[in-house]
Amino acid sequence: EVQLVETGGGLIQPGGSLRLSCAASGFTVNSNFMNWVRQAPGKGLEWVSVIYPGGTTNYADSVKGRFTVSRDTSKNTLFLQMNSLTAEDTAVYYCARGTPFFDRWGQGTLVTVSS
Amino acid sequence: DIVMTQSPDSLALSLGERATINCKASQSILYISNDKDYLAWYQQKPGQPPRLLVYWASTRESGVPDRFSGSGSGTDFTLTISSLQAEDVAFYYCQQYYHAPYTFGQGTKLEIK
Repeated sequence: EVQLVETGGGLIQPGGSLRLSCAASGFTVNSNFMNWVRQAPGKGLEWVSVIYPGGTTNYADSVKGRFTVSRDTSKNTLFLQMNSLTAEDTAVYYCARGTPFFDRWGQGTLVTVSS
Repeated sequence: DIVMTQSPDSLALSLGERATINCKASQSILYISNDKDYLAWYQQKPGQPPRLLVYWASTRESGVPDRFSGSGSGTDFTLTISSLQAEDVAFYYCQQYYHAPYTFGQGTKLEIK
């Protein structure tokens, strides 16, 4: 069964850093487009980043230069390193498999940026 | 970036009625070489992640009831629910996966009248 489980969210102060993880099972992360999508409280979906099978990455302008997506094939896990966090980054962060449409999603992990 | 605009923002209908949600892309998302529209529809209920309903603009995902259907091509797309059921109350989002950034529409809230 295909499953995605995000961890690593929590309360962080403005300017801080956090690393999210997304453990995959039932498929291999390096064979698919792997995405991060976020949803601020009461708002819509915002695509954040992608890592392609070849390792190329892409980011939304709102996070470019601050966030880095990566993967560990030995752990079959996707990561999102988030630096210089601001209140505008407060959201539930989902990982999603792209085939290329987003056919499987995790349950999400909440990141709250507040002092 | 490709901007996706949905209409309406919200919709309230009676059980059994037909629901129509529109989505317009700021540029064509039809890939000529394979004649496929890179458009997906998702359903999201409170406290849950999004669920894929339709991809390639009109292909229903496995397990999705056949009252859901997608249509359109190029820049204009529609999600139709032929006969509204109570469990269809949710937010609905369109998304283009033609080119990064893979943008979503702003969402449509569907309620029962």
